[in-house]
Amino acid sequence: DVKVTQSSRYLVKRTGEKVFLECVQDMDHENMFWYRQDPGLGLRLIYFSYDVKMKEKGDIPEGYSVSREKKERFSLILESASTNQTSMYLCASTQGVPGNTIYFGEGSWLTVV
Amino acid sequence: KQEVTQIPAALSVPEGENLVLNCSFTDSAIYNLQWFRQDPGKGLTSLLLIQSSQREQTSGRLNASLDKSSGRSTLYIAASQPGDSATYLCAVEDSNYQLIWGAGTKLIIKP
Repeated sequence: DVKVTQSSRYLVKRTGEKVFLECVQDMDHENMFWYRQDPGLGLRLIYFSYDVKMKEKGDIPEGYSVSREKKERFSLILESASTNQTSMYLCASTQGVPGNTIYFGEGSWLTVV
Repeated sequence: KQEVTQIPAALSVPEGENLVLNCSFTDSAIYNLQWFRQDPGKGLTSLLLIQSSQREQTSGRLNASLDKSSGRSTLYIAASQPGDSATYLCAVEDSNYQLIWGAGTKLIIKP
């Protein structure tokens, strides 16, 4: 069974802390994505990656960075967490050609206080 | 710029009814359209993927249609059950291979 695993389901962090959200997929997918999901705003793309060590900005990259050192792992980094980054974060992966099913992790609920 | 709209935002129907969820998009230049289900506090699960050359896809009690020329897709759920209660999202893959998302329809099936 295909699997996208987000290591942290629930986190509470303080303003100004550095936060790492980890995502691992076991399907040898080329493409990986980080979204945030907020009520009334739907899914918004933060960053995505088409290959190892490659990253592209999505629609809302400000305040975030990413790392993809290995094909199966895509990390989202909040350099200095702020309260407006309180959200549900979703990682996803898909094969490297258009028209393939996208697979999501269970999500990480981040609260910044 | 591609925009995806799902109306209504929420829908409540009695168990056993057949129902239709709507998704519309502004630019017909898409590679495919996908329907997803999201349970509360969970990630998304892909339900159906319709390629741009297809008119519909079926899986069990679910049937999704695609009319590119009018920029519309529908997700038909037959004989609804309480377990179908979830939020349903649609997304189109545009000419830049990016997924553009609707905000979702929250469906409640009343026993």
